[in-house]
Amino acid sequence: SQQGEEDPQALSIQEGENATMNCSYKTSINNLQWYRQNSGRGLVHLILIRSNEREKHSGRLRVTLDTSKKSSSLLITASRAADTASYFCATDATSGTYKYIFGTGTRLKVLA
Amino acid sequence: EAEVAQSPRYKITEKSQAVAFWCDPISGHATLYWYRQILGQGPELLVQFQDESVVDDSQLPKDRFSAERLKGVDSTLKIQPAELGDSAMYLCASSLAMGAYETQYFGPGTRLLVL
Repeated sequence: SQQGEEDPQALSIQEGENATMNCSYKTSINNLQWYRQNSGRGLVHLILIRSNEREKHSGRLRVTLDTSKKSSSLLITASRAADTASYFCATDATSGTYKYIFGTGTRLKVLA
Repeated sequence: EAEVAQSPRYKITEKSQAVAFWCDPISGHATLYWYRQILGQGPELLVQFQDESVVDDSQLPKDRFSAERLKGVDSTLKIQPAELGDSAMYLCASSLAMGAYETQYFGPGTRLLVL
């Protein structure tokens, strides 16, 4: 079963615009991670935010975390055609195996 | 830059045949994961190894799937017999250790089509 639900399922924007995608999860976490997946390829780690952090930046990426609402958002600023991909959030369970559960993903298409 | 290797990249097989996938994690990574990703969905963990030991295989269909990591390095995932519903991308990932803040590094995946 998947803990995370991403919203929207699909997003299409023009190059240069900002893209925002959201992730909701169900149980307590230690951290939340965002990954990118280009079509038919493996996933690439983008950013990790710990449960005691509220916001984190990495280049054109901005991630927020609201543990009271069990939700996170990923903002990509000044999007490029190369940002076209699927984006997944992954949350770890606070149990001993540190198993990660991935969300359903947001498919982003950036039009040149 | 070190990468996770997987082979084959693509596999087409007929129903009831046996298939095997291989994964070589980044050198020194103690934790290895196998995921299944159905088209349009996120990856789902099948099995997690810490060195050569299985730490989670709760979602592995054990009647037909098996996984091993005999020397705690590379790993093999086997399906026997394959069913139509097994068509999916099989992803291998590794991390330096098993912990709360570890990053997983993914291989390119093996796309399986069962006819």
